[in-house]
Amino acid sequence: AQSVTQPDIHITVSEGASLELRCNYSYGATPYLFWYVQSPGQGLQLLLKYFSGDTLVQGIKGFEAEFKRSQSSFNLRKPSVHWSDAAEYFCAVVPTDSWGKFQFGAGTQVVVTP
Amino acid sequence: GAVVSQHPSWVICKSGTSVKIECRSLDFQATTMFWYRQFPKQSLMLMATSNEGSKATYEQGVEKDKFLINHASLTLSTLTVTSAHPEDSSFYICSAQRTPNTEAFFGQGTRLTVV
Repeated sequence: AQSVTQPDIHITVSEGASLELRCNYSYGATPYLFWYVQSPGQGLQLLLKYFSGDTLVQGIKGFEAEFKRSQSSFNLRKPSVHWSDAAEYFCAVVPTDSWGKFQFGAGTQVVVTP
Repeated sequence: GAVVSQHPSWVICKSGTSVKIECRSLDFQATTMFWYRQFPKQSLMLMATSNEGSKATYEQGVEKDKFLINHASLTLSTLTVTSAHPEDSSFYICSAQRTPNTEAFFGQGTRLTVV
């Protein structure tokens, strides 16, 4: 079955420290890959996306993600987190033959401590 | 750009009443719109796919008679929650795409609370 897995439900990180959020997918063919962030009570904000090409993708707010086909992973990273990065992060995939139908991971809650 | 707007942003309704949520593509025409639901502290789940001028396609487990979807124009889709109950309280979010096999863009979501 097709799936998107975010292994970490909750991550606590100190302000200024690095952050890595994991995402693994299980699909027959490599889907399109996305990372979204959701602040409490808010909608989704697109951080970055991967369709093809360079496997290291740069996004907004200093985030980047690396696509690794061999590991079926699309992990999100930020070198130095800010208190404003505290939010829920969702990895999402879209099958290449079913554009528009997003499948979301369970989400990772990021808490930033002083 | 590709801006998708939902209205209202939040709504409180009494149990047993119906509530309508609008999803509009502001700067493009959308042949397809999608509706998702997010229960508190959970992920987003696709509810249905709405194509302009045709009946919506619902995902397994979603009651089509309870969640009425209308996509009457290329810029507007509506989701009506009929006879709402407290368990319908959720965050509803739509996305829209210009044509099949193109990127879809999300609205800002609507928080529904049924009391």
